[in-house]
Amino acid sequence: DADVTQTPRNRITKTGKRIMLECSQTKGHDRMYWYRQDPGLGLQLIYYSFDVKDINKGEISDGYSVSRQAQAKFSLSLESAIPNQTALYFCATRGRAGEGNNEQFFGPGTRLTVL
Amino acid sequence: QKEVEQNSGPLSVPEGAIASLNCTYSDRGSQSFFWYRQYSGKSPELIMSIYSNGDKEDGRFTAQLNKASQYVSLLIRDSQPSDSATYLCAVTESGSARQLTFGSGTQLTVLP
Repeated sequence: DADVTQTPRNRITKTGKRIMLECSQTKGHDRMYWYRQDPGLGLQLIYYSFDVKDINKGEISDGYSVSRQAQAKFSLSLESAIPNQTALYFCATRGRAGEGNNEQFFGPGTRLTVL
Repeated sequence: QKEVEQNSGPLSVPEGAIASLNCTYSDRGSQSFFWYRQYSGKSPELIMSIYSNGDKEDGRFTAQLNKASQYVSLLIRDSQPSDSATYLCAVTESGSARQLTFGSGTQLTVLP
């Protein structure tokens, strides 16, 4: 069973549409992250959350918003999608500092295409 | 801007050979270092973590860390075609948030 799940796995949408990507985890981790990956590039951090009331912008947050509905759920929204937001999106989780180490565990990804 | 740099490759090695992947980082305060393997279209999978100077071995994989020179490397012994993937180096930033900064990855191809 997957510990970190993402829905949808693939999505094609049109410019200007609002879209939400969802992430759920059963690892019991308090920290959750949203990353974007473009072809041939590494992962860029969009937003991260240390708990339900603690949400922080990453390096490329413009054009995105997030919601931490519960410890296990973290959603990413594109309010008005544009073509250069076409990318692979990953959710990741991490345990509390001190519980092991700084390893992050990734969901399977959502491939988003904006036409 | 904290940076993590890797040779993009592609790096090709014959089956059975040693593959050597390198990574340099700019943040001297970084404390945690990771290697992720990513198959095309799939999510990154953690294969090695290292926290102190020296070597850490796990099966066919060896991670090497030199904080003074700010580099971390990954050696894959007895390379197999199934090792063909992109390898991402990730470094934890110093500071309270301790976010991961990723390199752009090195594409490795192991030739049968």
